[in-house]
Amino acid sequence: AQSVTQPDIHITVSEGASLELRCNYSYGATPYLFWYVQSPGQGLQLLLKYFSGDTLVQGIKGFEAEFKRSQSSFNLRKPSVHWSDAAEYFCAVGINNNDMRFGAGTRLTVKP
Amino acid sequence: NAGVTQTPKFQVLKTGQSMTLQCAQDMNHEYMSWYRQDPGMGLRLIHYSVGAGITDQGEVPNGYNVSRSTTEDFPLRLLSAAPSQTSVYFCASSSPGGKYEQYFGPGTRLTVT
Repeated sequence: AQSVTQPDIHITVSEGASLELRCNYSYGATPYLFWYVQSPGQGLQLLLKYFSGDTLVQGIKGFEAEFKRSQSSFNLRKPSVHWSDAAEYFCAVGINNNDMRFGAGTRLTVKP
Repeated sequence: NAGVTQTPKFQVLKTGQSMTLQCAQDMNHEYMSWYRQDPGMGLRLIHYSVGAGITDQGEVPNGYNVSRSTTEDFPLRLLSAAPSQTSVYFCASSSPGGKYEQYFGPGTRLTVT
């Protein structure tokens, strides 16, 4: 069955430090992969997406993610975290036009 | 374009009451979906539609009904609200050529007491 795992429920980093959020997926075909961010009480904002081609994809707000087929991973990274990055982050795999499977989310806290 | 809009933003219901969550999109997308978001579980698909007049069940459909009379609108009905339906509900839409990318509304936060 298709599934997405985000192993870290909660991560705390210091402002200015680098960040990596992990995502592993289970999917038979070539996946369409997404990262969304959700600020408290807000909706979902798309950070970046991977369909094919270059395995390193750039997104908004300075985020990037790397698709590694051999590891079934799509980890999200940012070189230097800002206090405004504190939010919940969701990895998702597109199953079809109507169905995305989401991970449980990783809550990011940024220390001053 | 307004994108995907949802009303209301917040709602409190008593157990047994019914209500309809509204969703509309102005992008002429064929596909629309409803998800619920619960802590520690990400988003789960409730119902979806592949076009006007066509709907189907997702992962967690019990207690919900949908209909799709127009391309733009996709309301979600709670028939008899239960505390287990306390959640945040998101509507989403997508187009056939969009490589499964979905556009999400701002969400409706529902509390059932």
